[in-house]
Amino acid sequence: QSVLTQPPSVSAAPGQKVTISCSGSSSNIGNNYVSWYQQLPGTAPKLLIYENNKRPSGIPDRFSGSKSGTSATLGITGLQTGDEADYYCGTWDSSLRKVFGTGTKVTVL
Amino acid sequence: QVQLQQWGAGLLKPSETLSLTCAVYGGSFSGYYWSWIRQPPGKGLEWIGEINHSGSTNYNPSLKSRVTISVDTSKNQFSLKLSSVTAADTAVYYCARGKRDSSWYYYYMDVWGKGTTVTVSS
Repeated sequence: QSVLTQPPSVSAAPGQKVTISCSGSSSNIGNNYVSWYQQLPGTAPKLLIYENNKRPSGIPDRFSGSKSGTSATLGITGLQTGDEADYYCGTWDSSLRKVFGTGTKVTVL
Repeated sequence: QVQLQQWGAGLLKPSETLSLTCAVYGGSFSGYYWSWIRQPPGKGLEWIGEINHSGSTNYNPSLKSRVTISVDTSKNQFSLKLSSVTAADTAVYYCARGKRDSSWYYYYMDVWGKGTTVTVSS
């Protein structure tokens, strides 16, 4: 079972904004950077955000990340149908392993 | 542009050993941490472990007793072996390139293979 908790699903209409939370503890998020991954149906995960709020080259600024204490948040503005995917947060845990969140399915209404 | 190409047996019987290989094309092999991650059907991601170009490894404690990750720098390849598999090891297995600092303050996977579906069934 994952030590990072995310809401199972979020949804919004095209053009709107969604936020996805990732809740952890001082053993993981509280002391380490967070990354976010997008997994389109049937494909491998793709890095969206690293080091809490940095975007790799090619990732639009509609995607943003933040961290506060033991929680992190991914924001998606200007929602598009192509954003329908599963989203995972990830970080290092003091149990000596990389951990991922439970995953959130984004639906565009 | 770095690409990861992975391959290996897709159907195993219980107690057999899973064996996958991932080849790195188009980029440096050193300076990164080459990882294996798996995803059971309909479930989330689980980190299996990592290796660097020097052969230094780190494994998920929950799988450590059954996992071996090795590297062949002459071919820019790294491999995963998971012994004594059961149905619980049925998953899509991904190889990925990891970037991290020495203390794991930051650790993320920026390039992923397409995944290999491994099914364990008698």
